[in-house]
Amino acid sequence: EAGVTQSPRYAVLQEGQAVSFWCDPISGHDTLYWYQQPRDQGPQLLVYFRDEAVIDNSQLPSDRFSAVRPKGTNSTLKIQSAKQGDTATYLCASSFDWDQNTLYFGAGTRLSVL
Amino acid sequence: GDQVKQSPSALSLQEGTNSALRCNFSIATTTVQWFLQNPRGSLMNLFYLVPGTKENGRLKSTFNSKESYSTLHIRDAQLEDSGTYFCAAEESNYQLIWGSGTKLIIKP
Repeated sequence: EAGVTQSPRYAVLQEGQAVSFWCDPISGHDTLYWYQQPRDQGPQLLVYFRDEAVIDNSQLPSDRFSAVRPKGTNSTLKIQSAKQGDTATYLCASSFDWDQNTLYFGAGTRLSVL
Repeated sequence: GDQVKQSPSALSLQEGTNSALRCNFSIATTTVQWFLQNPRGSLMNLFYLVPGTKENGRLKSTFNSKESYSTLHIRDAQLEDSGTYFCAAEESNYQLIWGSGTKLIIKP
């Protein structure tokens, strides 16, 4: 069974540039999460979906960040105008309600905003 | 304040020794998950716990909901156990509240 796949693995931007991150969850997993992990800190939830519906995006900076999961499978997280404070690793995870909601993480995208 | 507090924040062990990591919760939680983030950054789920104890190889974890804590015991530590260990508590709305991690270094 393939794990959670994320791309790209790394991104380096100037402030003000846009970037998109892509996530392919484990097949059959209905819940998908996007986390932001600054260096030397724990993951912080940005948004999560059940199928195609956003369940909670209260921690997503809505002026610059957006996330979609249009068919309830793959998902894209976009930063419209990156700031230096966005420098972090962006992690995607998926889970299956019937599997006790155990989270499986992708390898992450390491973003540096200069 | 810290809703999920992990201790110690860092730990260095000789290969072959044992250790215990701890999480204390100040929120009501029904389940706890433990993760290991290896030095390359990959996060791996170690345990999903309801109140009680689970064991997997050299790892053993307990969740005591009445006293609001969880422990992770590592027996006979190996070099590949190095990394940062996170615990995360599930709130009533199914969201995970994460601790700040314990950075573990295993020395040969």
